[in-house]
Amino acid sequence: ELVLTQSPGTLSLSPGERATLSCRASQSVSSNYLAWYQQKPGQAPRLLIYGASSRATGIPDRFSGSGSGTDFTLTISKLEPEDFAVYYCQQFHNSPPKVIFGPGTRVDVK
Amino acid sequence: VQLEESGGSVVRPGGSLRLSCVGSGFTFHNYGMSWVRQTPGKGLEWVCGINSNGGDSAYAASVKGRFTISRDNAKNSLYLQMSSLRADDTAFYHCAREGELFPAFDMWGQGTTVTVSS
Repeated sequence: ELVLTQSPGTLSLSPGERATLSCRASQSVSSNYLAWYQQKPGQAPRLLIYGASSRATGIPDRFSGSGSGTDFTLTISKLEPEDFAVYYCQQFHNSPPKVIFGPGTRVDVK
Repeated sequence: VQLEESGGSVVRPGGSLRLSCVGSGFTFHNYGMSWVRQTPGKGLEWVCGINSNGGDSAYAASVKGRFTISRDNAKNSLYLQMSSLRADDTAFYHCAREGELFPAFDMWGQGTTVTVSS
């Protein structure tokens, strides 16, 4: 069964710093089906990245995604105050059809 | 352009509940839809999904056989019929829209709360 692991669990950084978040799959997956979401307290998740590296509509270019196979990365080049949140990776799995989320990485203020 | 859920409530173990989600501002029948739940302070769990015409659906193992997803495109509505509810079904339930051209959830509702408790 496919499992997504995210690391670190919590990332403590200061505004202006670079954030690098990892998502590792237990087996090789298609990068076409890998997405990243941001969630702030009391809000619904927001799509940031789809297809491992394509930014969703309206997402600032400080957010970028990369990776293939089993290892994927979300990078925030320069943290803005509004970027402190929880980030989830997600994989659409075809056989059987299902959607899997990683456990999330919390980015908080150092 | 939004999704709005309703129907959340407190229900006893073993009970049933039906959630609804209405989409507005977009062509509802063009999109696959899913339900995703989240327990307080915990992560996201996909519950089930349905394709754009309602002809195909899929379920997480944790709810298969107890939950049924359906849609009425004439009413721009998505439903989740939940039965044999358990305490571990207690969660915040979001409906989410699958991107028309890509497999990711590009729109989410704010959610509705389901509490299963005696």
